[in-house]
Amino acid sequence: AQSVTQPDIHITVSEGASLELRCNYSYGATPYLFWYVQSPGQGLQLLLKYFSGDTLVQGIKGFEAEFKRSQSSFNLRKPSVHWSDAAEYFCAVGLISGNTGKLIFGQGTTLQVKP
Amino acid sequence: EAGVVQSPRYKIIEKKQPVAFWCNPISGHNTLYWYLQNLGQGPELLIRYENEEAVDDSQLPKDRFSAERLKGVDSTLKIQPAELGDSAVYLCASSPPWRTGNTIYFGEGSWLTVV
Repeated sequence: AQSVTQPDIHITVSEGASLELRCNYSYGATPYLFWYVQSPGQGLQLLLKYFSGDTLVQGIKGFEAEFKRSQSSFNLRKPSVHWSDAAEYFCAVGLISGNTGKLIFGQGTTLQVKP
Repeated sequence: EAGVVQSPRYKIIEKKQPVAFWCNPISGHNTLYWYLQNLGQGPELLIRYENEEAVDDSQLPKDRFSAERLKGVDSTLKIQPAELGDSAVYLCASSPPWRTGNTIYFGEGSWLTVV
């Protein structure tokens, strides 16, 4: 069955430090992969997505993610974290059926940023 | 362009009472989703519509939950009667016909508290 695992439930980093959030997926075919961010009391905002091609994808707010098929991973990175990055981050795999699709989400990683 | 609009944003009801949530998707998006997000968890799909047809409702608890998407645009999700365990965020999302590169866009959610 398709699934997404985010091993880190909670991560704390200092402002200005680098960040890596881990994501592993289980999917039989070539995956469509997404990272969303959710600030407190808000809905989900797309950070970036991978469909094909270059395995290093750039997103909004200075985030990037690298697809590694051999490791079934799609880790999210940012070179220098800002206090406003504190939020909940969700990795998701897209399942395609005909002309429509749906997302299977991981449990999320809460990012806390220390001043 | 307006995003996915949901109402009400917040709702507090007593258990055994009914509640309904409304969603207006992005114009032109034929696929509409309702996701359930429990506290500290990733969203889980309740139901997916392609135009007026519910194409994936296997996770919808049909004894108390119902949904409709009349005319293939707006959608309503209803719970009757509500239970304490239904306290969660109900997220609506929409997407255009699935092609490589498409994105699923989320609303800000309807936050339900059952007391």
